Amino acid sequence: EVQLVESGGGLVQPGGSLRLSCAASGFTYRDYFMNWVRQTPGKGLEWVANINPDGSRTYHVDSVKGRFSISRDNAGNSLSLQMNSLRADDTAVYYCARGISYSFDHWGRGIQVTVSS
Amino acid sequence: QSALTQPASVSGSPGQSITISCTGTSSDVGTYNRVSWYQQHPDGAPKLLISEVTKRPSGVSNRFSGSKSGNTASLTISGLQAEDEADYYCFSCADTTSSWVFGGGTKVTVL
Repeated sequence: EVQLVESGGGLVQPGGSLRLSCAASGFTYRDYFMNWVRQTPGKGLEWVANINPDGSRTYHVDSVKGRFSISRDNAGNSLSLQMNSLRADDTAVYYCARGISYSFDHWGRGIQVTVSS
Repeated sequence: QSALTQPASVSGSPGQSITISCTGTSSDVGTYNRVSWYQQHPDGAPKLLISEVTKRPSGVSNRFSGSKSGNTASLTISGLQAEDEADYYCFSCADTTSSWVFGGGTKVTVL
């Protein structure tokens, strides 16, 4: 069974940093694209970042470029999102999602990130 | 990037069919067969229903079907059931990541 479990969320002050992690199991992790997607009550779902199977190519939505960085550890079956210079509008539930055929076929339960002073 | 346009809400009676539209542009939905659909129940994670416009993953009910005409993709739910009451989102990804966008979501209510 495919499982994706996020961790590392919480409350952080504006301008602060946070690192999210996603532990993957139940599939051959190194064969898949992986993504971070976030959700806010006001803006709905937003794709945040994508990384190719060997980690050599990464893509980020314009609003987080230069602040967030996606990475992966194929030996440890994990995905990370380093978030720096956090802003109030980064407050959201962050999901780890497996990518296949231009879609997201498995999602974690999500983790809350709140940016507030 | 601009979000894809979905109706805010759609409702139907049990057993009926409903259709949710997802309108993009000729640069994304109109050109690429890369539209997917997701169902999300309250306090749950999104679940993939349809990929690449029409493909239904294993385990997804055949009451869900996808189609596309021009710049608009559609999700049809046949034989509406109470358990179908949820939020539904479309997603499209064109060749540039600035075009990797979700629709605003549609709340489906079963009357």
